[in-house]
Amino acid sequence: EAGVTQSPTHLIKTRGQQATLRCSPISGHTSVYWYQQALGLGLQFLLWYDEGEERNRGNFPPRFSGRQFPNYSSELNVNALELEDSALYLCASIIPAGTYEQYFGPGTRLTVT
Amino acid sequence: AQRVTQPEKLLSVFKGAPVELKCNYSYSGSPELFWYVQYSRQRLQLLLRHISRESIKGFTADLNKGETSFHLKKPFAQEEDSAMYYCALISGGSNYKLTFGKGTLLTVNP
Repeated sequence: EAGVTQSPTHLIKTRGQQATLRCSPISGHTSVYWYQQALGLGLQFLLWYDEGEERNRGNFPPRFSGRQFPNYSSELNVNALELEDSALYLCASIIPAGTYEQYFGPGTRLTVT
Repeated sequence: AQRVTQPEKLLSVFKGAPVELKCNYSYSGSPELFWYVQYSRQRLQLLLRHISRESIKGFTADLNKGETSFHLKKPFAQEEDSAMYYCALISGGSNYKLTFGKGTLLTVNP
């Protein structure tokens, strides 16, 4: 089966701009999680989408937002980019009420200059 | 609030030696605990979970609720075990968000 895919692989933006990151879950998976992996901070939970709705968000400002489409793919938007937003953004999908296993994508490396 | 602590950022052992990667957690309820692994140039993937009590690639991990630990062990390390290892927990309920430790980079030397 095809795994979780993310695009783009790399994204370079300047401070103040907006970034859009995309994620396609494994077929049949309806939940998508976003995580930020910043240097020195480890992997931190960002957002959870399930059945098209935002269900939970981590300790991040509102300029981090996103959405989930009817086909369960998801988009993460980061507005008013700051230098500290530079990180690897990982997307994971899961079957709700399944085995709790999250399947991760390869990530999008966002660099803010 | 839940927290996962991996006290060692780096761990280096020789091939054939035993290896133990430490993980401690804090959570008031009954968490589900996992070990995820990231090999070089590969994506993050599940190694094992405490509820299945299985051994994967020779690794085992036992949940010790008294010590709130979930250490990962392997009796004889192999060079291909070199990777970044993350301990993580899910607090339960309907939100399956993972709380990760900061990871331990394991290097197995020939």
